Amino acid sequence: NAGVTQTPKFRILKIGQSMTLQCTQDMNHNYMYWYRQDPGMGLKLIYYSVGAGITDKGEVPNGYNVSRSTTEDFPLRLELAAPSQTSVYFCASSYRGTSGRAWGQETQYFGPGTRLLVL
Amino acid sequence: QQQVKQSPQSLIVQKGGISIINCAYENTAFDYFPWYQQFPGKGPALLIAIRPDVSEKKEGRFTISFNKSAKQFSLHIMDSQPGDSATYFCAAPLNTNAGKSTFGDGTTLTVKP
Repeated sequence: NAGVTQTPKFRILKIGQSMTLQCTQDMNHNYMYWYRQDPGMGLKLIYYSVGAGITDKGEVPNGYNVSRSTTEDFPLRLELAAPSQTSVYFCASSYRGTSGRAWGQETQYFGPGTRLLVL
Repeated sequence: QQQVKQSPQSLIVQKGGISIINCAYENTAFDYFPWYQQFPGKGPALLIAIRPDVSEKKEGRFTISFNKSAKQFSLHIMDSQPGDSATYFCAAPLNTNAGKSTFGDGTTLTVKP
């Protein structure tokens, strides 16, 4: 299994441009997440999804959009990029069984990250 | 409002020493307490986790100590090695229905040879 993959690894955007960060997982996980990581600030949840067709906002959703048309893919869209969106973006996934929560199912599996610079 | 608070922000330890990172939590309903390890340029990865009915869990040189009354859990790295140099995050489940977790701000550990 490749796990969680993200593309691109690095991107420079000009202010006002748009782009889509790609995330794919091959572990058949139903839950997926997008985080941003700023220096010394830990991980902030942008959006998450509990299954195909279901998405919801996290702590810092402004300026971003997501979609989840398949179990595997969870792209993050940046519209009108701003310097404040300069960050490292991580996609993650986890699994929740249909028979209810089992201990440890909150374990998240992260991708390698996308470093975004908005100038 | 941050639900887990991690300290210290950075830590420098000599090779062979003990590294200790602390995490304080607020919500007594939490029942899953993991530590994630992140190397530069990589995503975080689960290192070790503990449940609240256990006071200590050891995996190799890594130990979690859990203090339910103080609402704290700590990561101890014994015989620290330069390869342990990384950022460590504590976390706790925020909303079990959505599988969301809240993360600490991270501790950057540097182990000097």
